Formats: sequence, C-alpha cells, structure tokens
Amino acid sequence: GAGVSQSPSNKVTEKGKDVELRCDPISGHTALYWYRQSLGQGLEFLIYFQGNSAPDKSGLPSDRFSAERTGGSVSTLTIQRTQQEDSAVYLCASSIRGSNQPQHFGDGTRLSIL
Amino acid sequence: RKEVEQDPGPFNVPEGATVAFNCTYSNSASQSFFWYRQDCRKEPKLLMSVYSSGNEDGRFTAQLNRASQYISLLIRDSKLSDSATYLCVVGAGGTSYGKLTFGQGTILTVHP
Repeated sequence: GAGVSQSPSNKVTEKGKDVELRCDPISGHTALYWYRQSLGQGLEFLIYFQGNSAPDKSGLPSDRFSAERTGGSVSTLTIQRTQQEDSAVYLCASSIRGSNQPQHFGDGTRLSIL
Repeated sequence: RKEVEQDPGPFNVPEGATVAFNCTYSNSASQSFFWYRQDCRKEPKLLMSVYSSGNEDGRFTAQLNRASQYISLLIRDSKLSDSATYLCVVGAGGTSYGKLTFGQGTILTVHP
C-alpha cells in the first residue's frame, strides 16, 4: 500500500523566498507530524496534528513557520522569508491514533536556501 | 535536560560482537517506547516497540525500566548491515498523548 508521500523531494530557493512543503499521510492515519533534521543532527519536532484537535505547535522555531492540515489528510508546511539556517531535511510522519502506535515516515524534502 | 537522552557514540564494533545502547527519558508519564533505525540520508524506520516486560526480535532485545526511566537495546551477533543510527523514541501521555519525542541517536558502525 501507499506510504507517506512528500513533495517536492528537493527544493532549492533563494534567501527571503517563501516555500511550501506538502505531506500526504497514509490513508486512515489520523496523526500527522512534521520534523526537521539538519545534517548530522537528530530529529527536531516541529508540529503535531491529531484528528480535529488543536495542533501542538510547540516545536515551530519562529513565526515564519506555519502548517495546516486540510480535511484531516494532506498537510502543508510553509516557511516564509526563508533564511539559510532553514536548510535541512523536512520529514513528515503519520500514525494511527494513539501514542502507542509507531510512526511511518515519508522520504523527506531536502530544502536548501542559497 | 533533554526529554530523551542517548549516548551519541559512535560505537565501532567488529562483526559478531554484542553491543548495547542506553536511553533515559525525563517524563515519568510517558506511555510508549520505541527504537527506530536511520540509515545515512534516509528516513527513520521502526525497529521495534519496547514493552514493559522486555521483548526480543531475533538478534535484538529491548528492555524498559519505568522506575529508572531507562530503555535499552541489545544487538547480538552484529552484522555489517546493522551499521546505522539508532533512535530512542518516547511517546507522551496526558494532554500530549500521541506526541513522540526522538533522542539524538546513537551511531553504530560494524566493521569486518
């Protein structure tokens, strides 16, 4: 079956531009997560959506970052006025409702800010 | 203090060796525990869940000590293909139910 799908797989943009990253979770998974991972570093939690509940935005590093999840399925992560330190791999994961359920990751979007 | 702490390593072991990784977590209300594996420039993948009674999957054994808030992973008879970063993952309870927190990872290199 289809796994978590992310697009684009790679994005190169100039400093100051806005970027939008997309995540298509596994069908039926109500929980969706965004992380980012800089080269050689661990996963940094960004935001968590669970069903119709208010998202946990506690990991968003600044107000330039925002995320939406429409219809409980597809999610977009938007970074406004990108900075060079935003360069990283942005990973999306989904899981069946419940913290005892493992997450399934997409392949990530590799974002490079010039 | 980080929510989930791991020894970053790297661990360099010969094929056939036994190696153990440790992890501690700070939130006593945590409800679920996992080990993930991440290969270089790839996404993390679930290795195994960790249960209170401890559990084994082939050459891999996971242990959980709730009183000490400590998780371990033991790999026996290491293979070259075990070389990867191993991530300790803890799931929250209470109002943060569903949120998973990842440790920084422990790097393992198995050499011939």
